[in-house]
Amino acid sequence: EAGVTQFPSHSVIEKGQTVTLRCDPISGHDNLYWYRRVMGKEIKFLLHFVKESKQDESGMPNNRFLAERTGGTYSTLKVQPAELEDSGVYFCASSQALAAGELFFGEGSRLTVL
Amino acid sequence: DQQVKQNSPSLSVQEGRISILNCDYTNSMFDYFLWYKKYPAEGPTFLISISSIKDKNEDGRFTVFLNKSAKHLSLHIVPSQPGDSAVYFCAARGTGANSKLTFGKGITLSVRP
Repeated sequence: EAGVTQFPSHSVIEKGQTVTLRCDPISGHDNLYWYRRVMGKEIKFLLHFVKESKQDESGMPNNRFLAERTGGTYSTLKVQPAELEDSGVYFCASSQALAAGELFFGEGSRLTVL
Repeated sequence: DQQVKQNSPSLSVQEGRISILNCDYTNSMFDYFLWYKKYPAEGPTFLISISSIKDKNEDGRFTVFLNKSAKHLSLHIVPSQPGDSAVYFCAARGTGANSKLTFGKGITLSVRP
């Protein structure tokens, strides 16, 4: 069974440009999460989808970030326009049951904004 | 305001000895605690968890202890192996629909051969 896959693995863009990150969760997992880790800091929650609906988006930094999960399958996270402080590793995770203990993480998408 | 704190950024132990990784939390609504392990350029992988109704959970070389009154948990690895060298994240979760995990900053464990 395939794990959580993320694309791209690394993206380097200039301030003001747009980047779209994609996450394919484990098949059958209704819950999909986006997290971000800035160098040396904690892994911070961004938002949580249940199927195609946003269950919790309290961690989204500002309106430059837009997450979608059309059809309840893969998800995209778009940053527009990107700022220097958006640099970090963006992790996607999925789980089967809402109250499941563990999340399955992808390898992350490293974003570098110059 | 950090709700999950891993105050020691790094730990170095000799192979075969015990590794003890500590974690403190401030939110009394947390009822489930997890440890994740992360190698460079990889995503975190689940290691072990504990519910707030327990004070100990063991899985092979890994044991997690929970002290609710102190809002403290620890991960014990014994015996430590060089392959255990990684970043270890403590995470906590509340009840019900609020299923998001809150993570600490992580501890870098180095196991010396």
